[in-house]
This record gives sequence, structure tokens and C-alpha cells, in this order.
Amino acid sequence: DQQVKQNSPSLSVQEGRISILNCDYTNSMFDYFLWYKKYPAEGPTFLISISSIKDKNEDGRFTVFLNKSAKHLSLHIVPSQPGDSAVYFCAASEDYGGSQGNLIFGKGTKLSVK
Amino acid sequence: DAGVTQSPTHLIKTRGQHVTLRCSPISGHKSVSWYQQVLGQGPQFIFQYYEKEERGRGNFPDRFSARQFPNYSSELNVNALLLGDSALYLCASSVRDRGDGYTFGSGTRLTVV
Repeated sequence: DQQVKQNSPSLSVQEGRISILNCDYTNSMFDYFLWYKKYPAEGPTFLISISSIKDKNEDGRFTVFLNKSAKHLSLHIVPSQPGDSAVYFCAASEDYGGSQGNLIFGKGTKLSVK
Repeated sequence: DAGVTQSPTHLIKTRGQHVTLRCSPISGHKSVSWYQQVLGQGPQFIFQYYEKEERGRGNFPDRFSARQFPNYSSELNVNALLLGDSALYLCASSVRDRGDGYTFGSGTRLTVV
């Protein structure tokens, strides 16, 4: 039973355009959400996060939007660059201020920027 | 600065054997977490240790165990290996026990034959 779902296994975008990666979750107790990027043969790299008390967080070319009522978040990359080509994982936690640090990951979306 | 170091990078084991995977966190990081990533899936949480104490445990059988040493390095042990244990095992370290500070290692690719 997947608590974090990334329904698009892959996404292809032209260089310079916007990339939008989507993520849905089912657990209403999640209070912190993160995006990680992973290149082949490397570990995931933290990109950007958002607390459930916010609906938007921006860091350079990366913006994450959170819609709590829809249990949906999205990552926008503008403009997309070839170096952004990687697998992107959405992750969630229900203990942002707690002790476990357990992250629940989606299956990932492979982004190709050409 | 050295990142999170995992050893070995690859190994092949036979069903029923035991395996020990090692992780050295970034200097100053007191939290170490272990994740299993099966092909085509996202990483799945196994354990978290913070200040040498187990803080969290995922839904894995008792064949999986871990510990953290005084220098904050960590070992993940898996007994009685099954074919389904074949995966990439990722270690992540952070200063605190929160995911936004996690730095992942490149992982250990375990193949069970």
C-alpha cells in the first residue's frame, strides 16, 4: 500500500521549458515533504523541502507546491537544463519535529531534458 | 570534506549467508539511517540511529539488524539472506534526525544468488 505515489515513471522536457513533477500522498499525518534527485551510481541528493504549514517553497530554479486538501505536491523546475536529467523522488515524513526521521519515498520519476 | 562512505560498493552472496554492510557518516553527523532500494522502487526505510541509539525501525524482518559505534559509524547486518534481499542499500547521515539534512552515500549493491 503506497503512501507516496509518483504516477509518472518518466517525463521528457525540452531544454529551457518548465518541468513539472507530481506526487500524491494518502497519509494525512505527513507534515513534511522533500524532493530528492538521483543520478545513476550515486545516492539521492536533497533538493528542496516544504512543511505542511506552507503551500510553496522556492529555491532558485526549483519550486515545490503543496496542496494539502488534495494531498498533492509538485516540483517545478524552470528553466529545465540537461543536467537536471535524473530520477526525482518525492518523500514524506510524519515526524518533522520528532525523533524517527523515517522518510517514505515514492517510486520516482525519470526526467529527461533534451 | 569526505561524504558518506559505504563499503563495500558491490558484493555477491549466496542464499542463507550473512552479510555486513558498513557506513561512515560525514564528520560531525550523529544520525545514520539505512534504506533499501529494490530495482524500480523508491528507497525503503530500515533503521535510524541517533547518538548510538536506535530511533526508528522500518517494516523489515528480524534478520535485519544494525548498530552505531562511538565514532558514529554504523553497520547493517542481514542474516539468512534471501534472493529478495538483492537491492541497493543506502546509508544516510545528518547532524540531526531529520530528512532535510540527510546526505546519502552511493550505496552498496548486494546481489544474492
